Amino acid sequence: DQQVKQNSPSLSVQEGRISILNCDYTNSMFDYFLWYKKYPAEGPTFLISISSIKDKNEDGRFTVFLNKSAKHLSLHIVPSQPGDSAVYFCAARNKDFGNEKLTFGTGTRLTIIP
Amino acid sequence: NAGVTQTPKFRILKIGQSMTLQCTQDMNHNYMYWYRQDPGMGLKLIYYSVGAGITDKGEVPNGYNVSRSTTEDFPLRLELAAPSQTSVYFCASSYSIGGAAEQYFGPGTRLTVT
Repeated sequence: DQQVKQNSPSLSVQEGRISILNCDYTNSMFDYFLWYKKYPAEGPTFLISISSIKDKNEDGRFTVFLNKSAKHLSLHIVPSQPGDSAVYFCAARNKDFGNEKLTFGTGTRLTIIP
Repeated sequence: NAGVTQTPKFRILKIGQSMTLQCTQDMNHNYMYWYRQDPGMGLKLIYYSVGAGITDKGEVPNGYNVSRSTTEDFPLRLELAAPSQTSVYFCASSYSIGGAAEQYFGPGTRLTVT
């Protein structure tokens, strides 16, 4: 039972354009959603998060949107840069468990074309 | 600050051998976690710890053991290695101060069991 789904395994975007990465979830008990970025042979690094009581959070070029009724969130990167090429994981935290458990999606590989 | 460090980076084990994956963090985080990532999959939680002396099972604990005698260290023990344990292992830590309490990851250990 995959509670966090990233249905696009890969995405290619032209440099300077907007990259939109999507994530769907099924568990209504998730209270925070996080995006992580992962380069090859490195561990994931935290990018941005959003509380379930908000619908948008912005940090520089990165904006996360949350649509609770659709159980959908998206990460927008604008403008996209070559250094953004990486695998992006969506993760969700269950408020019943606090910090103990994050559920991760399977990731989307983003390639920025120069 | 070194953050989260893991050793070794790579290891090849024969079936039935045992080994310990080391993880150390210098951020004084109380929570620590072990994940495994199989190809094309998200991260699966193996074990976690909410503080020294306290550990609990995650989603995929079979075949593994952990201990937490200090705040800094959280080793993962593999007993009787099996090919199904071939994976990339990530250690992470976080500080439970509320909010998303994002997790910080180490660089990973790539383990092959043959």
